[in-house]
Amino acid sequence: AQSVTQLDSQVPVFEEAPVELRCNYSSSVSVYLFWYVQYPNQGLQLLLKYLSGSTLVESINGFEAEFNKSQTSFHLRKPSVHISDTAEYFCAVSGGYQKVTFGTGTKLQVIP
Amino acid sequence: SAVISQKPSRDICQRGTSLTIQCQVDSQVTMMFWYRQQPGQSLTLIATANQGSEATYESGFVIDKFPISRPNLTFSTLTVSNLSPEDSSIYLCSVRNPDRSSYEQYFGPGTRLTVT
Repeated sequence: AQSVTQLDSQVPVFEEAPVELRCNYSSSVSVYLFWYVQYPNQGLQLLLKYLSGSTLVESINGFEAEFNKSQTSFHLRKPSVHISDTAEYFCAVSGGYQKVTFGTGTKLQVIP
Repeated sequence: SAVISQKPSRDICQRGTSLTIQCQVDSQVTMMFWYRQQPGQSLTLIATANQGSEATYESGFVIDKFPISRPNLTFSTLTVSNLSPEDSSIYLCSVRNPDRSSYEQYFGPGTRLTVT
């Protein structure tokens, strides 16, 4: 069985400030980890993913996440947020080409 | 990548009626997934729809309540039957990246259902 915990349901942050969205997972097998973003009134889009190799993965819009096996975490970070980053972010885990389990989501609200 | 469209984008339905949601993909895919997204909760997988076979339902979801059709490799429908206020949610269609090494899923924009 696998599960994902996103402890923060909402995270308000001022524009240009750094942000960290937390994600912890549990799985009995090797994992693949994902962050999806959902902008208002849109479907989910893949932001970044960890499959293997370097534990630090980056997205094209400045977000990064680090896979920490010992802490079973995959926290999402950005050093300086923009208004356009306001969205809901979902962490997800998969044990391979299997069912994907999603967290409950974290709403990032960037304050001008 | 895959582009997914859903119809309707939103609807308000009365208790006891049914709503059928359509999902169209711009490429042929083997498996299509239907999720429910309730406020403050995880995306929950309802069922997996394979073309030419019965859909596979997750625990807590039954075919009588959520009948699914999959007539071809680019289209699927989900019906939410005998609606109650508890069915108010966003319903999402999803497919996997055909590149199996990617493990990525693509999602439609969702159908927002409100039951009165």
